[in-house]
This record gives sequence, C-alpha cells and structure tokens, in this order.
Amino acid sequence: AQKITQTQPGMFVQEKEAVTLDCTYDTSDPSYGLFWYKQPSSGEMIFLIYQGSYDQQNATEGRYSLNFQKARKSANLVISASQLGDSAMYFCAMRSDGAGSYQLTFGKGTKLSVIP
Amino acid sequence: DSGVTQTPKHLITATGQRVTLRCSPRSGDLSVYWYQQSLDQGLQFLIQYYNGEERAKGNILERFSAQQFPDLHSELNLSSLELGDSALYFCASSVEGQGAGETQYFGPGTRLLVL
Repeated sequence: AQKITQTQPGMFVQEKEAVTLDCTYDTSDPSYGLFWYKQPSSGEMIFLIYQGSYDQQNATEGRYSLNFQKARKSANLVISASQLGDSAMYFCAMRSDGAGSYQLTFGKGTKLSVIP
Repeated sequence: DSGVTQTPKHLITATGQRVTLRCSPRSGDLSVYWYQQSLDQGLQFLIQYYNGEERAKGNILERFSAQQFPDLHSELNLSSLELGDSALYFCASSVEGQGAGETQYFGPGTRLLVL
C-alpha cells in the first residue's frame, strides 16, 4: 500500500524568503512518481512539479524545486523567494507502477501562509 | 487553466436526490480520473476511465457510478445522496493513464452541497 505523510499542517514564511514543505512516502514499488500540487483558496488543483523514482537529479520548475532523498523516502518541496500568491494548500502525491495503481495517493496537505 | 473543464461549478441539492457531474478532459488526453475531496477524508481516488473503458476503481460507493463517452467526456452520477456526500469533486485527465510519471491535470472541481 502507498502512503504519503505531510507532517506540517500549517507553515508561515516571510515574503521573499525560501520555505521547505515536508513530504515522506512509503511504497514497495521500485518505479514511482512524486508530484506536488497547489490548491489556492479558490479550490482548483494546480500541478507544480514532478520527480521520478529513477531520476538522478532533483526536479526544478522556476521557483519550485524538489529535494528528493530516495533512501529517506522524502520528497520535500522548496519554494524560493516566496510571494503573497504562494499562500495556499500544498499537497504531495505519489503514483506507482504497481498493478492497478494508476491513481494518485495524496497527503493531507500543508497550509502555507506568506506574510508581507 | 489546466484545459480540463467541469460543470457545474456548484451544486446544491437535497438528501435522497441524484446529480450528474460532467467533465471534459484536456485535448488529446484519453484517461479520466474522478477524486473526492472532503474535510474528514481528504483527497480520495474514486474511479479511472481510459478511452471509454473502466480501468481502476478506488473508494467509490455503490450509489456512485461513472462512464466515459466516445467523445471522451465523462460523467459521475451520484444517487441517493446523503449529507456526507457533500464535498469537492475533481476530475483529472492524463494522456494514457499508465506509467508512474504521467502527470494528471485537474479541473476546477464541482462543489456539491447536500442539504
């Protein structure tokens, strides 16, 4: 069974500072993908970044980077130079190649608040 | 804008009623997924369709059903509604629905309130 754990229910960060949102995962499948989504107060789910289990380099997308530590089973999201518009819920999710496991398994999310 | 559309955006109905939620995937995507987001259960996978065929089932109640049509749009039918069915229902789509690395793009969601 797959499991995603996000231990930070809420985080505060000063505008223009960097912030790390934690995510740990559990799976027995050797091939899997890790995703981060952003959910603003308006409700939509916005894809941010993807990391594959066999990728050698950490993924980056603009101000977002994923700190992937395979041995520790962690996939933390780093947001650099925080902006007020980054205030939202952030969800870590996983998808593996196990039989029938085509869906995303989500963590409970972290609510990020950016302070001016 | 993800390219995935969902209608309606909001739905208010009464217990015991039946509703239909509609989803159109991104152009070129063959796979559609339905998820439910509630305060107590979080985000849960309900069901996946690929090119008109059911591919995977999650925590979908027997009162709920879905289908994907030849034009690839999908509908989620919720019947005998209960108060606990109040939630945000998302549709997501991806190109093929296979492989751990395939990104799912989400629609804006349908917010269902059962009174």
